[in-house]
Amino acid sequence: DIQMTQSPSTLSASVGDRVTITCRASQSISSWLAWYQQKPGKAPKLLIYKASSLESGVPSRFSGSGSGTEFTLTISSLQPDDFATYYCQRYNSYSWTFGQGTKVEIK
Amino acid sequence: EVQLVESGGGLVQPGGSLRLSCVASGFTFSTYAMSWVRQAPGKGLEWVSSISGDGAKTYYADSVKGRFTISRDNSKNTLYLQMNSLRAEDTAVYYCAKFGVPAAMGSYFDCWGQGTLVTVSS
Repeated sequence: DIQMTQSPSTLSASVGDRVTITCRASQSISSWLAWYQQKPGKAPKLLIYKASSLESGVPSRFSGSGSGTEFTLTISSLQPDDFATYYCQRYNSYSWTFGQGTKVEIK
Repeated sequence: EVQLVESGGGLVQPGGSLRLSCVASGFTFSTYAMSWVRQAPGKGLEWVSSISGDGAKTYYADSVKGRFTISRDNSKNTLYLQMNSLRAEDTAVYYCAKFGVPAAMGSYFDCWGQGTLVTVSS
């Protein structure tokens, strides 16, 4: 089975920082990758799909890139509302595996 | 507005059974595949199971295969997860999630319910 690995597991940053989270697949998944944001006690929220497509209503400071086995989620200028845990997810070949998550903390 | 409301969670003993429900509204339910995703306390997201819009195709994570059964009643706009032979490691918040692309199994999840907590303990 294809494994999804995120790095780092935890990231400390300040408001206004540019933040990048990486997700690696153990085999190529083309562009079948989504990113989600989850806050404590809440359901996940879709941010990005097909590696780089921004979900409607999501602020433009969020962007995704990559294809094949390496993907990134970038927050161009971190806002107070962005402190949360972020997950990548592959969705191909009848498998919907998540990465282990990256927690973005206040520095 | 799309809404997904889960119910049926609770405390159950190891080896017991539980059925979760997820009532959907705000979209044509039968057009979309649906999934269950769980999250153990303090842990990450784990995909559990998915079902096609017509209910004909089902998929399971290895961790639940043979113990859990996903189903749907399109006349009631309701998704189910029958959980049998429950183990302590099944303790989690269970979310139902809607696929983002109609009539497609290769899709992300664009809408999630609020979750229902299942606790397996004696």
